[in-house]
Amino acid sequence: EAGVTQSPTHLIKTRGQQATLRCSPISGHTSVYWYQQALGLGLQFLLWYDEGEERNRGNFPPRFSGRQFPNYSSELNVNALELEDSALYLCASRGITPTGVTDTQYFGPGTRLTVL
Amino acid sequence: DQQVKQNSPSLSVQEGRISILNCDYTNSMFDYFLWYKKYPAEGPTFLISISSIKDKNEDGRFTVFLNKSAKHLSLHIVPSQPGDSAVYFCAASLNTDKLIFGTGTRLQVFP
Repeated sequence: EAGVTQSPTHLIKTRGQQATLRCSPISGHTSVYWYQQALGLGLQFLLWYDEGEERNRGNFPPRFSGRQFPNYSSELNVNALELEDSALYLCASRGITPTGVTDTQYFGPGTRLTVL
Repeated sequence: DQQVKQNSPSLSVQEGRISILNCDYTNSMFDYFLWYKKYPAEGPTFLISISSIKDKNEDGRFTVFLNKSAKHLSLHIVPSQPGDSAVYFCAASLNTDKLIFGTGTRLQVFP
């Protein structure tokens, strides 16, 4: 079974530009979560999508946004990039296992965003 | 306000011995707890989880203990292997909402 995939692996942008990060969840999973891990900091929750709708968002400015598509894949958009947006962005998915719905989130490999 | 805390930033253990990683939390409403292993620049790898209705869960070399009255959980790895060397994060959630992560403990297993 394929895991969570993310693209691109690395992304380099300059201040003020926009970045788009993509995530494909594990097949059958309907929930997608986004997290940020900035250098030297822990993993911080960004956004949660389920069945195409935004369910919750973390303490981040509105220039962090996203969406979930009908196939449950997701995009994270970061507008007006700032230097401190440089971080590893992680996507996780959660869904139904043969024994029922799981609370476990499974992570992708991440996208390293560098803002110059 | 750090709701999930890992007070030991690092731990060094000899191969074959037991590794014990600790985690404390403040929100008694958390209903699900997880441990992840992480290498630099990679996504966290799920290790083991426990529901708040249980006090112990085992999976091979990994056992997680939950003490709700003390708001404390621990991960035991026995026997420890060099391949276990990584950063370990505990995380907690409520009603399948976001995960709240601790700050991580770097485990080094030496021969």
